[in-house]
Amino acid sequence: AQSVTQLDSHVSVSEGTPVLLRCNYSSSYSPSLFWYVQHPNKGLQLLLKYTSAATLVKGINGFEAEFKKSETSFHLTKPSAHMSDAAEYFCVVSDRTAHAGGTSYGKLTFGQGTILTVHP
Amino acid sequence: DVKVTQSSRYLVKRTGEKVFLECVQDMDHENMFWYRQDPGLGLRLIYFSYDVKMKEKGDIPEGYSVSREKKERFSLILESASTNQTSMYLCASSLLAGALYYEQYFGPGTRLTVT
Repeated sequence: AQSVTQLDSHVSVSEGTPVLLRCNYSSSYSPSLFWYVQHPNKGLQLLLKYTSAATLVKGINGFEAEFKKSETSFHLTKPSAHMSDAAEYFCVVSDRTAHAGGTSYGKLTFGQGTILTVHP
Repeated sequence: DVKVTQSSRYLVKRTGEKVFLECVQDMDHENMFWYRQDPGLGLRLIYFSYDVKMKEKGDIPEGYSVSREKKERFSLILESASTNQTSMYLCASSLLAGALYYEQYFGPGTRLTVT
């Protein structure tokens, strides 16, 4: 079974300083990994995804994440925080899962979320 | 631009009422999903559908049912709403197997309050 642990429920940074949101996962197979962001009263938006190509993945708005198989981690970073980065971030793992219809789909398992606060 | 829409942003219902949450996607995706989101718990899968009229239970299906009569529309039904179903409900869609990365696209959510 797959699982995701986001190690911090809240992270607070000052504008212009680096951001680090930590995520560890477990998966039986070679997973796909995602980071989604949710701004207040909005749906989830994909930030970036890892799909077994390059281990360092670049996403939108200057975010990037590094897949480290030996550490089962997929931490999200940004060199310089902006006020607009304040939101909730979800680390997500996807395994192929077969179902009764005979085809497979990507079952997503979400972490508990990390709320990022950015101070002026 | 991909789009998933949900019929209501906010909904208030009374205990025991039958509640319908509607979701429509315009991307011709085969898979559609319903999640509920609660603070500290992330998103949990209620039901998903991989084709018209096909459905499978997710992790927390109790108290819910779904309907998919057309490819673009997926409805979540609370047969008899209870206060513990007060939550944010999110709909998502994705391509079927054969799409390598199973990225899901989400709607804006419906915040349901049951009193």
